[in-house]
Amino acid sequence: GQSLEQPSEVTAVEGAIVQINCTYQTSGFYGLSWYQQHDGGAPTFLSYNGLDGLEETGRFSSFLSRSDSYGYLLLQELQMKDSASYFCAVRENSGAGSYQLTFGKGTKLSVIP
Amino acid sequence: DSGVTQTPKHLITATGQRVTLRCSPRSGDLSVYWYQQSLDQGLQFLIQYYNGEERAKGNILERFSAQQFPDLHSELNLSSLELGDSALYFCASSEHASGELFFGEGSRLTVL
Repeated sequence: GQSLEQPSEVTAVEGAIVQINCTYQTSGFYGLSWYQQHDGGAPTFLSYNGLDGLEETGRFSSFLSRSDSYGYLLLQELQMKDSASYFCAVRENSGAGSYQLTFGKGTKLSVIP
Repeated sequence: DSGVTQTPKHLITATGQRVTLRCSPRSGDLSVYWYQQSLDQGLQFLIQYYNGEERAKGNILERFSAQQFPDLHSELNLSSLELGDSALYFCASSEHASGELFFGEGSRLTVL
């Protein structure tokens, strides 16, 4: 079966940089995604890594190392609105061109002034 | 607005009852996913459909069933409800070859 590990909570100061790590064990690994979810809201897509390396989207970057079964999400210039839960998710091939996404339990990020 | 519509937004019912949650995917998306999120828990994958066919099954209880109709909307049926079924149920859709899921706002189910 699949398993994903990420820290349950992280606290960081406004303007700082924070890294949220994710390790995974799965078969049929295809890529790693990151989603953000504010309290009471729907998860929204942040980034996807299909290949090893760093993907940058504005203040957010995501990294993947397939050989280490490890990835991270890097948030720079933290803002109060970044306080949310962040989920890593493993994308697996579920057959005939379809993909299943299995989520970790999420990391609750609190940004403090 | 993700383009995914879920109804109802809130539902309160009693143990032993049956409910149906409905999801309309984004225009053009053929794949629909159902997830359950309990308090302070992650997103538990329930089931996936692609163009009307079941494609993957996760930790979905036998009391739960789903289907995707020819117009691509999907329904999740929850029966013999228990207190522990109280949760937020999300539907998401995607293009079948894409890694990005678009989530609806969820249906919050409370079982009393």
